[in-house]
Amino acid sequence: SYELTQPPSLSVSPGQTATITCSGHNLGDNYVCWYQQRPGQSPILVIYQNNRRPSGIPERFSGSSSGNTATLTISGTQALDESDYYCQAWDGLTSGVFGGGTKLTVL
Amino acid sequence: EVQLVQSGAEVKKPGESLKISCKGSGYNVADHWIAWVRQMPGKGLEWMGMIYPADSDTRYIPSFQGQVTISADRSTSTAYLQWSSLKASDTAMYYCARRGFYGGHSFAFDFWGQGTMVTVSS
Repeated sequence: SYELTQPPSLSVSPGQTATITCSGHNLGDNYVCWYQQRPGQSPILVIYQNNRRPSGIPERFSGSSSGNTATLTISGTQALDESDYYCQAWDGLTSGVFGGGTKLTVL
Repeated sequence: EVQLVQSGAEVKKPGESLKISCKGSGYNVADHWIAWVRQMPGKGLEWMGMIYPADSDTRYIPSFQGQVTISADRSTSTAYLQWSSLKASDTAMYYCARRGFYGGHSFAFDFWGQGTMVTVSS
């Protein structure tokens, strides 16, 4: 089965840039989405189609994908960005897969 | 406004059956796949499977095939996730999510339910 690998954790200081990676075999051939999940809340979509932001998502969130790696970048990280972040892709058209998640700490 | 509203928390004993629900509104529920996602305590998201309410076409990942049943009632815009015999290891938060279509092979879980906590304990 298809697997996506993320670093378990990342710490940044407020105002810095947070870069979260997601790796998978030939991931660049796939569209990647990113989800933010704050503690005790449902996930929300922050990036789809590798680099597109849904309405209402701040411009400081951006995404890219190439080769075997997709990247979520949060510029000017704020305290409210402290969350778990999950990448997601498709194994075929009807089988989804999530990465293991990255806990972002802003301190 | 697109909404997915899930049924309330459940506390069950091992061996009992359970069916939880996810009711969509604010969009044409029939023509968007609805997925179910498990999150065990302190763990990550796991995609379980999904259903196309228009014709009840259903897909599962192998690890959940035969363990749960996903169904839908098009007339009430509701998707369901059910177990015939719960185990303690089924204790988790379960989310439903709409799969939005963004052209070509671009899909995303763009709207999520609030989650249903299922606790299985003797």
